[in-house]
Amino acid sequence: QKEVEQNSGPLSVPEGAIASLNCTYSDRGSQSFFWYRQYSGKSPELIMSIYSNGDKEDGRFTAQLNKASQYVSLLIRDSQPSDSATYLCAVAPNAGGTSYGKLTFGQGTILTVHP
Amino acid sequence: DGGITQSPKYLFRKEGQNVTLSCEQNLNHDAMYWYRQDPGQGLRLIYYSQIVNDFQKGDIAEGYSVSREKKESFPLTVTSAQKNPTAFYLCASSITGSTEAFFGQGTRLTVV
Repeated sequence: QKEVEQNSGPLSVPEGAIASLNCTYSDRGSQSFFWYRQYSGKSPELIMSIYSNGDKEDGRFTAQLNKASQYVSLLIRDSQPSDSATYLCAVAPNAGGTSYGKLTFGQGTILTVHP
Repeated sequence: DGGITQSPKYLFRKEGQNVTLSCEQNLNHDAMYWYRQDPGQGLRLIYYSQIVNDFQKGDIAEGYSVSREKKESFPLTVTSAQKNPTAFYLCASSITGSTEAFFGQGTRLTVV
């Protein structure tokens, strides 16, 4: 079983729709969760971080975390063609230890928003 | 402007040669990391450093070496022992106590 697994893609949604990206992780000790957006040929860009159960909203993006189910998701409302990219889920253990930035990444989900 | 600078953007290497990828940051971050990305895959950790003159192996360190002589710099050497070096290499940094990592623009290495 992969440590961080994302829903298989590619995912295609029409402009204006809600895109839902899912991620599960195997390490119950994980404490920090991130979503990165990566355009083709570019480096990952941090778009959301979440540390406690529940929802966190930032503009059109909502991250949802359920530690009991070991599940984290990203919702993109009112999807735009400019949201077309690969979205990477990343998970880190307790930040108080010796694992600063030791992120474990999923394989990514390719999102295409078509006009 | 604060940020992480990787150079070169593209690098071609002949088989059997060592090459060094540069990573410089002016964010005053203590921790720095090197990741590798292969097509259609996520990122895998090669090496990381939390403080000057100290670094640890990540998940795929074989065939790579690093140094951390200055806080701002964390160069990665891809040695001839690395069997499949063609990949996209990403340097990242974070502040002490944080797991939020910020990335440079990457170096695409191709073995010819």
